[in-house]
Amino acid sequence: DTGVSQDPRHKITKRGQNVTFRCDPISEHNRLYWYRQTLGQGPEFLTYFQNEAQLEKSRLLSDRFSAERPKGSFSTLEIQRTEQGDSAMYLCASSHYLLDQETQYFGPGTRLLVL
Amino acid sequence: AQSVSQHNHHVILSEAASLELGCNYSYGGTVNLFWYVQYPGQHLQLLLKYFSGDPLVKGIKGFEAEFIKSKFSFNLRKPSVQWSDTAEYFCAVRGSSASKIIFGSGTRLSIRP
Repeated sequence: DTGVSQDPRHKITKRGQNVTFRCDPISEHNRLYWYRQTLGQGPEFLTYFQNEAQLEKSRLLSDRFSAERPKGSFSTLEIQRTEQGDSAMYLCASSHYLLDQETQYFGPGTRLLVL
Repeated sequence: AQSVSQHNHHVILSEAASLELGCNYSYGGTVNLFWYVQYPGQHLQLLLKYFSGDPLVKGIKGFEAEFIKSKFSFNLRKPSVQWSDTAEYFCAVRGSSASKIIFGSGTRLSIRP
């Protein structure tokens, strides 16, 4: 499968713990996006990278959240000191800046439950 | 504020019925418009997109959408739905010079066999 992949698919953690999610984009894509989706809502933008540079962050992204894309390929999203309100589906998407009208393709998501 | 409004939260239809899902957006400037679909247990998939040109765009599985600029609308249509169209449908907008996509809250479509 050459689509966007995310790991883990599910994560249950206790409040106050740190969690890290990984996203592997489509191989030739140079842009990578993180979104968050809560029940009954559409995805909300968190941040995106072009290659290894983080170009935009949403105001939704508190200082407990950090994302990296160190080599311009896979990305990690870390949440420190998790809170129950962090429970959501975390989606990753990728696109190519110059191709396919920069259409974003989504991965299966990581569902986080904070107890 | 930039936003997308989907008027119907849950639509229930019988097979072979016609479908129209409403979508209105609020965004200054030139936009790109999308419909994504999420089938049960699957990830978001692109159904169709509008960037420019003919405001009537055709997507996969017999879906189409019409961009009406004066109404800030991008409604999704299908003349005859199938049970396999049961899914959640998301309308989305992106500024033509922006990267992030703004999604609506989604419409759940249930098809009675």
